[in-house]
Amino acid sequence: GAGVSQSPSNKVTEKGKDVELRCDPISGHTALYWYRQSLGQGLEFLIYFQGNSAPDKSGLPSDRFSAERTGGSVSTLTIQRTQQEDSAVYLCASSWGGTEGSPLHFGNGTRLTVT
Amino acid sequence: GQNIDQPTEMTATEGAIVQINCTYQTSGFNGLFWYQQHAGEAPTFLSYNVLDGLEEKGRFSSFLSRSKGYSYLLLKELQMKDSASYLCAVRNDYKLSFGAGTTVTVRA
Repeated sequence: GAGVSQSPSNKVTEKGKDVELRCDPISGHTALYWYRQSLGQGLEFLIYFQGNSAPDKSGLPSDRFSAERTGGSVSTLTIQRTQQEDSAVYLCASSWGGTEGSPLHFGNGTRLTVT
Repeated sequence: GQNIDQPTEMTATEGAIVQINCTYQTSGFNGLFWYQQHAGEAPTFLSYNVLDGLEEKGRFSSFLSRSKGYSYLLLKELQMKDSASYLCAVRNDYKLSFGAGTTVTVRA
């Protein structure tokens, strides 16, 4: 596709349920990022994938969060046993990677609401 | 660690100029990005600085001083569509760390 695609665009779930968020990066982009954006706060780094290298998971806030990237393309972010503080917009971004000036291209995000 | 500061809000009149400052203290530096984000939409790339000086792109310019840990985004000839949040982001290796964003409101 022309840009980064995320689904669903909105997700409302009950506390304690698991959710899966999907990201389709721009074709050919080797680097993929997940960020979280809460109201009035900056984007919070969650996880980074680059090619076949081991991902940088240093930003995942707890072991309830996990992510994978299959075939170097599509990525899924999974949140288990969701809590109300997980409510936020989850943004995925991709870039060419390996080039300092290569900007991140963001998807429109998934707005997650935990009730 | 990373510390990136920018003002929370700014208001300006259509046709005017607004300067959004960003100061940063980071453990490493591989460039500074500015992004624009309209409400409910994805951040979109505006500019990139890695060397000191001014980069101009149409109505938007961005400046960097690495020794001062300082950047600004200059928006000229403001239009109503420029009302948005502007995000300053510092790259350290592959990771971008973002400031909380500056909401710019353009009044008629």
